[in-house]
Amino acid sequence: EVQLVESGEGLVQPGSSMKLSCVASGFTFSNYGMNWIRQAPKKGLEWIALIYYDSSSKYYADSVKGRFTISRDNSKNTLYLEMNSLRSEDTAMYYCAKEGYYSALDYWGQGVMVTVSS
Amino acid sequence: DIQLTQSPSTLPASLGERVTISCRASQSISNSLNWYQQKPDGTVKRLIYSTSTLESGVPSRFSGSGSGTDYSLSISSLESEDFAMYYCLQYATYPYTFGAGTKLELK
Repeated sequence: EVQLVESGEGLVQPGSSMKLSCVASGFTFSNYGMNWIRQAPKKGLEWIALIYYDSSSKYYADSVKGRFTISRDNSKNTLYLEMNSLRSEDTAMYYCAKEGYYSALDYWGQGVMVTVSS
Repeated sequence: DIQLTQSPSTLPASLGERVTISCRASQSISNSLNWYQQKPDGTVKRLIYSTSTLESGVPSRFSGSGSGTDYSLSISSLESEDFAMYYCLQYATYPYTFGAGTKLELK
């Protein structure tokens, strides 16, 4: 059974940094691309980043480009999201999701809440 | 970036009714479209991928169709567990983009 478990939830001040993790199990992590998606309170889903299975390519939404960095450690079956220069508009539930063999975003984690507020 | 226009934003419906949700892309996405269901607890589940392929374990009352820029999700006979939020996603090009969502609510 595929499982994705995010961690790193918390409250931070504007301008600060935070790092999220997503531990994967139930599949061969090193064979699949991985994504981060977020959802601001009472808003829709927003895709923010993708990393290839071997870290050879990374893609970002314009809203986070230059501030957020996606990375992975295949030896630890773990995906990361380093978030810098956080803003109030980054307040959201953050989900990790696995790329599918045939298509995108087949399995999702339960999400972690990030609140940016002074 | 490819924009997805999803409609309606809210869909009141009754048990047993057939409903359809639309998703229109700002340019052709060559069937690179998925549908997701989000429950009130935040859980997100993929229902359909590549326009019309039903995810394993998803009831056959769900179906997807479309081509080019126009896609749709249909539920043939609503059951109580179907009342939730629904989102389309295009993965034809980066950045991936979602539709704004449709809230399927009990009439």
